[in-house]
Amino acid sequence: DPKIIQKPKYLVAVTGSEKILICEQYLGHNAMYWYRQSAKKPLEFMFSYSYQKLMDNQTASSRFQPQSSKKNHLDLQITALKPDDSATYFCASSQTGQDTQYFGPGTRLLVL
Amino acid sequence: GDKVKQSPSALSLQEGTNSALRCNFSIAATTVQWFLQNPRGSLMNLFYLVPGTKENGRLKSAFDSKESYSTLHIRDAQLEDSGTYFCAAGANSAGNKLTFGIGTRVLVRP
Repeated sequence: DPKIIQKPKYLVAVTGSEKILICEQYLGHNAMYWYRQSAKKPLEFMFSYSYQKLMDNQTASSRFQPQSSKKNHLDLQITALKPDDSATYFCASSQTGQDTQYFGPGTRLLVL
Repeated sequence: GDKVKQSPSALSLQEGTNSALRCNFSIAATTVQWFLQNPRGSLMNLFYLVPGTKENGRLKSAFDSKESYSTLHIRDAQLEDSGTYFCAAGANSAGNKLTFGIGTRVLVRP
């Protein structure tokens, strides 16, 4: 059974719309993260949460808002979507926040 | 410049041979993680390292924080070793963000 679930697997959106990317982890971890992988660029850290509190935010745009309704959930809301937001978005988690990070399968987002 | 520089950018290996991948860091890395991304895009953990070495089957990795580099050795390469290998530096920060290299694309040929 997958331990980190990301939904949807693929997402096509129009410019200007809003989408929510879902992430749930069943590893019992206390820390969760979002990363983005765009073509020809390294995987890029976006946010980290520990015990549902924001620890680090490296995303310049306020259009990206993480939402943690439960300890094992960290969703990512993206508003006013732009074609440059097209990327694969990976959720990750770790036990303590200072150890191995495990990655989900990713959500591939295409903004037209 | 690149905070995590991976080399080589691509590698073609004959099945059964050995090879080494390297990461150089221009940031103060306290930990390193190595991942393999398969053709479907899934990221699989290979190693989590503090300074030192670890071995797992045909893979061996080392991290030297003083010299700011890490290596990943592949012994007796198999077809299923094909994919893109990423190293990522962890720093002693509150968020423990990982800073990734651009990856080394490895193709193992029969």
